[in-house]
Amino acid sequence: AQTVTQSQPEMSVQEAETVTLSCTYDTSESDYYLFWYKQPPSRQMILVIRQEAYKQQNATENRFSVNFQKAAKSFSLKISDSQLGDAAMYFCAYRGGGADGLTFGKGTHLIIQP
Amino acid sequence: AAGVIQSPRHLIKEKRETATLKCYPIPRHDTVYWYQQGPGQDPQFLISFYEKMQSDKGSIPDRFSAQQFSDYHSELNMSSLELGDSALYFCASSSQGKAHYGYTFGSGTRLTVV
Repeated sequence: AQTVTQSQPEMSVQEAETVTLSCTYDTSESDYYLFWYKQPPSRQMILVIRQEAYKQQNATENRFSVNFQKAAKSFSLKISDSQLGDAAMYFCAYRGGGADGLTFGKGTHLIIQP
Repeated sequence: AAGVIQSPRHLIKEKRETATLKCYPIPRHDTVYWYQQGPGQDPQFLISFYEKMQSDKGSIPDRFSAQQFSDYHSELNMSSLELGDSALYFCASSSQGKAHYGYTFGSGTRLTVV
């Protein structure tokens, strides 16, 4: 079974600075997808960024980018120019190529210091 | 833009009662997914449906059942409720074949069993 590990239960960063959230996963599949979801206090799950395993180029969405290291099975999220609205729980998620369900990590609580 | 609609937003039930949660996917989305998120936990995949047929199954208890109707909305039926069923239940939707783009989640139904 696939597992997703987020080793940082909580991270704190000053507003306008850069922070990196780590995620590692374990799988024997070659075809899969990786996601970062944000869950603010409202509890809504919001897709931040996604990455297809077959793509070597790291995904980028405005201030959010990933560092995807397939051989190391690592998928970290970098948030640049942190804003107060970025404060939330961030979940890393894995989806196998033939499956529907997402496997989530335990989450990282991101705190933005003004 | 229309989002995934879940009802009710909050639900309080007593032990051994039955609950029904509803999910209305984004228009033209044909696949729905159900997740359970316990307090302080990551979301756990329960079950998914495509074109009214069960597509994938996760850690759904035998006391729970779900179905998808011809208008693509879905219902999660939960019987013999236990205190441990208290959680946030998310529904998500996508178009079949485009799930790798990431799902769109609803705002969730918070179920409290007393």
